[in-house]
Amino acid sequence: EAEVAQSPRYKITEKSQAVAFWCDPISGHATLYWYRQILGQGPELLVQFQDESVVDDSQLPKDRFSAERLKGVDSTLKIQPAELGDSAMYLCASSLAAQESEQYFGPGTRLTVT
Amino acid sequence: QKEVEQDPGPLSVPEGAIVSLNCTYSNSAFQYFMWYRQYSRKGPELLMYTYSSGNKEDGRFTAQVDKSSKYISLFIRDSQPSDSATYLCAMSVNTDKLIFGTGTRLQVFP
Repeated sequence: EAEVAQSPRYKITEKSQAVAFWCDPISGHATLYWYRQILGQGPELLVQFQDESVVDDSQLPKDRFSAERLKGVDSTLKIQPAELGDSAMYLCASSLAAQESEQYFGPGTRLTVT
Repeated sequence: QKEVEQDPGPLSVPEGAIVSLNCTYSNSAFQYFMWYRQYSRKGPELLMYTYSSGNKEDGRFTAQVDKSSKYISLFIRDSQPSDSATYLCAMSVNTDKLIFGTGTRLQVFP
């Protein structure tokens, strides 16, 4: 069964350091999402890609976060510099299309900032 | 007020019980309603996907949507210890930007 792949699964970094997460969506899925899930809360959308284009990044803290999907397949989410409040689970999801299509999530990257 | 409200629980039930999980919402434009199951330290797994109002059944799981009351439910019949997880409701206008509830933690004890 096809799955969304993410790496690393766990990351511990110090405040002010740079950190990057990688996501490989299900093959053929044109839409890719990055979510952040703080412990005890539901996921919140950070950025949505349609192929290589950003569709929605209204909730992405652009002073420190960046995301790219250069060839419209895999994607990288970067934080620089990391802050203590960035500690959370970072989830990647993909769907066949942007509308009328289920989103499937990867296992997530758990980030701890010390 | 949040767009989607969900009781965080925890909800503790004996094996074999019928479980009822619920969410309320305020945005009448929501048309797509989903339930995800999330085990500890894992990503959410899609359980049920419903468009508009009505019921949908899949094995031991039944999803209900009442748009007039802005209320959705997930029922789990014959609950098993393996059902112990956090259940997240999610909804969207067009399935792209999902708005999630906080999740309800369910514990099924033998």
